[in-house]
Amino acid sequence: KAGVTQTPRYLIKTRGQQVTLSCSPISGHRSVSWYQQTPGQGLQFLFEYFSETQRNKGNFPGRFSGRQFSNSRSEMNVSTLELGDSALYLCASKTGSNPDTQYFGPGTRLTVL
Amino acid sequence: QKEVEQNSGPLSVPEGAIASLNCTYSDRGSQSFFWYRQYSGKSPELIMFIYSNGDKEDGRFTAQLNKASQYVSLLIRDSQPSDSATYLCAAPYGGYQKVTFGIGTKLQVIP
Repeated sequence: KAGVTQTPRYLIKTRGQQVTLSCSPISGHRSVSWYQQTPGQGLQFLFEYFSETQRNKGNFPGRFSGRQFSNSRSEMNVSTLELGDSALYLCASKTGSNPDTQYFGPGTRLTVL
Repeated sequence: QKEVEQNSGPLSVPEGAIASLNCTYSDRGSQSFFWYRQYSGKSPELIMFIYSNGDKEDGRFTAQLNKASQYVSLLIRDSQPSDSATYLCAAPYGGYQKVTFGIGTKLQVIP
């Protein structure tokens, strides 16, 4: 089975711009979660989508949003980028049942200048 | 209090020794726990999960869970330089099992 894929792998943007990141989960996985990883804060949960519905949300401002499509692919959008948004954005997928294990994609490295 | 807590390290052990990594969690309702390994510049890779009290062994890795003490540990026997990485502890939290990660412990295995 193919693993979780994320595109693009690297992105450079300037403050005020917006960005969209994409994630394709493992085939058969209906849950997609997004995380932000920075050296000081570690892995922080952004949100989780299951069957096109957001079922969990972390403590991030409304500039961070996401969606999931009927084929379970997910996108994450960040509007009005700030310097502090520079991070590794990781997507993880799982089947969605409990208990469950999730598998990470390679991540998108976002740099905001 | 954070949901999942780990010492960020670094934890340095000589090659061949046992590395012991620890994690505490705050949600008594958590039922499953995960250990991920993350090499520098890479994404986290699942190495162990444990659901029941006691020990679970997989090769050189042993996960230990003590629900009464809300404590999870990972033991790496015969540590190798290739084990040098950051080890992340994770636990589901809340009603829909949002998976929350600790800050990660950096392990350095000295040849």
